[in-house]
Amino acid sequence: ETGVTQSPTHLIKTRGQQVTLRCSSQSGHNTVSWYQQALGQGPQFIFQYYREEENGRGNFPPRFSGLQFPNYSSELNVNALELDDSALYLCASSLESAISGTQYFGPGTRLLVL
Amino acid sequence: DAKTTQPNSMESNEEEPVHLPCNHSTISGTDYIHWYRQLPSQGPEYVIHGLTSNVNNRMASLAIAEDRKSSTLILHRATLRDAAVYYCIPLQGAQKLVFGQGTRLTINP
Repeated sequence: ETGVTQSPTHLIKTRGQQVTLRCSSQSGHNTVSWYQQALGQGPQFIFQYYREEENGRGNFPPRFSGLQFPNYSSELNVNALELDDSALYLCASSLESAISGTQYFGPGTRLLVL
Repeated sequence: DAKTTQPNSMESNEEEPVHLPCNHSTISGTDYIHWYRQLPSQGPEYVIHGLTSNVNNRMASLAIAEDRKSSTLILHRATLRDAAVYYCIPLQGAQKLVFGQGTRLTINP
């Protein structure tokens, strides 16, 4: 059973650029959630995808967008990068039908915006 | 979202048991109590979850109060590798995880 993987591990961008982060969910999981973790803070929910549709969104502007593919992998896109977007971006996968809702996290992508 | 209260930090010694408390007095009747931990520079790691009964797995034990308003994560013999931030999170179904500040656990050799 493969766990959640994310790519790239690290990324440096400049303000105003666009970035795409990728996530492969754990085998058998059909739901992907994305979180942003600023330095010294707990992760904050960005959005969740199920059956290729957005299934809940946190308090993030529209320049944060996502995709889920038929194989349940997912992308997080951020347009018009701002300095405050510098953070660890975490992807978590889960099974939508699981009553407990347990989510399993990848190692994250660390984004630095200069 | 149910509100949780955890101590900001705790300290213990290697090979001793550690009891990490969490208050979740506004938890709904169908929320599971999840515990995650986050080691430095890593993503959160699932530890354990339970609904009403106490639970054990290879990593830890979870003791849930009868009224479900609090729970305690028990590490039976702490190792240096257990030094992390521990989060307790009520969760049900396909919902978002709401992370609080968690408890930063320090393990002394």
